[in-house]
Amino acid sequence: AQSVTQLGSHVSVSEGALVLLRCNYSSSVPPYLFWYVQYPNQGLQLLLKYTSAATLVKGINGFEAEFKKSETSFHLTKPSAHMSDAAEYFCAVGSARQLTFGSGTQLTVLP
Amino acid sequence: DAGVTQSPTHLIKTRGQQVTLRCSPKSGHDTVSWYQQALGQGPQFIFQYYEEEERQRGNFPDRFSGHQFPNYSSELNVNALLLGDSALYLCASKKSGPGEFYYEQYFGPGTRLTVT
Repeated sequence: AQSVTQLGSHVSVSEGALVLLRCNYSSSVPPYLFWYVQYPNQGLQLLLKYTSAATLVKGINGFEAEFKKSETSFHLTKPSAHMSDAAEYFCAVGSARQLTFGSGTQLTVLP
Repeated sequence: DAGVTQSPTHLIKTRGQQVTLRCSPKSGHDTVSWYQQALGQGPQFIFQYYEEEERQRGNFPDRFSGHQFPNYSSELNVNALLLGDSALYLCASKKSGPGEFYYEQYFGPGTRLTVT
């Protein structure tokens, strides 16, 4: 079975500050890992994915994530937060058939 | 190029009723998945359809059923609605095939179901 834990249901950062959203996974097989973003009243948009190639993955909107097998982590970072980054972020583990999502982290960006 | 579309946007039903939600996949996609997202939680996988067959199912009761049509569109049916079925129902589509590219799922805006 695969599972994901997102540490921190709410994260607040100042505009221009570093964004760090934490995700730890559990998987009995080499994982495929994803980060999605959800804006209010919208569906999910794929930010980036890890599929066993480079461990540092770059995504859209300046986000990146690093796969660390020894720590079973896949944390999402962005060097400088923008007001438009305020949204809910979901980490997911899965296959081509099924994704298992974490409970999400609500990111607030303070002016 | 239209993305994933879902209808209706919002729906209010009474306990015990039945509901049908609809999804049209992104152009070129042949596989459709359904997810339930309760308020304040992450999406939970219901099932996936490919070639008009249910190929994978999550931990949901038989009250949840689906269908995929020859044009790849899909329906989600829920019978005997419970208050706990109130949620945002998300449809996701993808292309089938080998390789990491085929792991990307594209989500629609969802249908908000309220059961009273």
